[in-house]
Amino acid sequence: GEDVEQSLFLSVREGDSSVINCTYTDSSSTYLYWYKQEPGAGLQLLTYIFSNMDMKQDQRLTVLLNKKDKHLSLRIADTQTGDSAIYFCAERYNQGGKLIFGQGTELSVKP
Amino acid sequence: DGGITQSPKYLFRKEGQNVTLSCEQNLNHDAMYWYRQDPGQGLRLIYYSQIVNDFQKGDIAEGYSVSREKKESFPLTVTSAQKNPTAFYLCASSIPGTGRTGNTIYFGEGSWLTVV
Repeated sequence: GEDVEQSLFLSVREGDSSVINCTYTDSSSTYLYWYKQEPGAGLQLLTYIFSNMDMKQDQRLTVLLNKKDKHLSLRIADTQTGDSAIYFCAERYNQGGKLIFGQGTELSVKP
Repeated sequence: DGGITQSPKYLFRKEGQNVTLSCEQNLNHDAMYWYRQDPGQGLRLIYYSQIVNDFQKGDIAEGYSVSREKKESFPLTVTSAQKNPTAFYLCASSIPGTGRTGNTIYFGEGSWLTVV
């Protein structure tokens, strides 16, 4: 079946690194995504990783993919108060190309 | 600017009424999607369309209907049969395919629907 799971909350101090974790079930997924949602807004694509990659880095963001364990993580270096938001992990389901989302992790950054 | 426009941003519905949420995109994307978001939950897929004049049910299609008469438009009707329609609705679009093209899914800013 299709299932993506994330922890619901993460709290860090400004300047620290944040690591948001995600597990998924569909081993045939070709792309995995991280989206950011600020209050009352739509989803903003942060980054994505192709399933044949282990790591992708984009400025302060690092995505790690462990395909064997079906585990995906997003690391935000030097976390800022503006990073406070809900972060969604999603896998692209091969049939129909639809995205399956996790419940979202609410990141709270304290000054 | 290219993007996805949802309207209205806020909508109130009386019990027993049908309402239609608009979604328009000028990205020339073939595929369009409707998701529902409830507090503390992830996004759940209502309907999706890979091409004009064709659409498929998602995980929670009951009480909803869609049409895809034009490539750029994918309106969602929330019918009176939907018993708990209060939620945040998100429209999205993408280039269809199995993922090999490296395409991504882009979202609109969402519409809040409240039943009064």
